Order: sequence, then C-alpha cells, then structure tokens
Amino acid sequence: EVQLVESGGGLVKPGGSLRLSCAASGFSFSTYSMNWVRQAPGKGLEWVSSISSGSDYIYYTDSVRGRFTISRDNAKNSLFLQMNSLRAEDTAVYYCARDGSPGPPLDYWGQGTLVTVSS
Amino acid sequence: IQLTQSPSSLSASVGDRVTITCRASQGTNSYLAWYQQKPGKAPKLLIYAASNLQSGVPSRFSGSGSGTDFTLTISSLQPEDFATYYCQQVNSYPYTFGQGTKLEIK
Repeated sequence: EVQLVESGGGLVKPGGSLRLSCAASGFSFSTYSMNWVRQAPGKGLEWVSSISSGSDYIYYTDSVRGRFTISRDNAKNSLFLQMNSLRAEDTAVYYCARDGSPGPPLDYWGQGTLVTVSS
Repeated sequence: IQLTQSPSSLSASVGDRVTITCRASQGTNSYLAWYQQKPGKAPKLLIYAASNLQSGVPSRFSGSGSGTDFTLTISSLQPEDFATYYCQQVNSYPYTFGQGTKLEIK
C-alpha cells in the first residue's frame, strides 16, 4: 500500500524557518518525481514545488523561489521542504504528493501537515 | 498557464447530471487532471490526461476536452460526491490548479 506521511509542521514566527518531511512507503520511491502542494485555510490548492526522481530537475512556484528548498533522500525514501524567511501568507496545510507523470499525476497524497506563521 | 473553473459553486440534487468546466489560458496538450477534495481530507485524483479515469474511481465520473477547454461530468450525483473539485494542468511548470468548484446539495 502506498503511504505518504508528512511531519514537521507547527507554529513559527515570521522570518523563521521550518523543515517539512514526507516519509514514503509501499512503492519504489526513487523512480518517482515528488511534489509539495499547499492549501491556505479556507482557500484552494496551490502547487509549491517538484523534484525529479534523481533530483536533477527542481521547480518552484514564484512566491517561494529563493526561500524554500525541496530535496529528497532516495536511500531513506524521504522528501523534504526546507522553508526559510517564512511569511504569514505561507500559513497552510502542506501536502506531499507522488507524481506519476506522464501517467496519472499526483496520484497519491499524504494527510498534510499544518504550518502556521504568526507572531 | 492560468486555469479558470466555472462555476465557482453549484447546487444540485442526488441523481442530477453535473458538468464543471476548466479553461486554460494556453494549450495544455491535454495534460489536465481533475481532483475531488472533501473537508479536512487530501485531494483525490479522479481523471488524468483529460479523459482517463483513475483506477478505482466510479464510472459516473468522466472527463473530456482538448486544447484549452475541458469538462468534468458526473452522470448521476451520489451523496458522497458533494465536495470541491479542482482541475490542474501538468503540461508545464509551474503546475497550476483552478480555483475550485464547490458542489453542494440542493
């Protein structure tokens, strides 16, 4: 069974940092691209970042580029999102999602972890 | 690529046929997916590549379209279908989502 479990969320002050993790199991993690998607309270979905299977290709949405860093450890079946210089508008539930493109994209999602940026 | 869904909200009854539209600001080569999200839950993939039904998804869900105009159709609404639906393009980065369509019980 495919499982994605996020952790690392919490309350952080503006300007602070947080590192999210996503533990993957039940599939060959090293062969899939992975994504982070976030959802602010009461709002829609926003794609944040993607990383290819071998970390060769990395993409970010404009609002986080230069502040967030996506990475992965294929030996430990883990995905990470290092978030620096956090702002109030980064407050959201952060989901990790497997990317099966060009087949089914974002076909498995974790349960999400809440990041709250507030003083 | 910007995606615009319509309507933003919709009231319907069990058994109704419902259609949600997603319009892209430029072509997506049919790399267009649809997701369902219920409150407090992660999104669930329903349709990919515009018209391919994801494994395990009921056949009352279908997708169509090409170029810049796409639709999600639910042929006969069931109680468990009341949720928010999102389209997403995965043709080029940054991947983008539509703003969502909230489907409510009439």
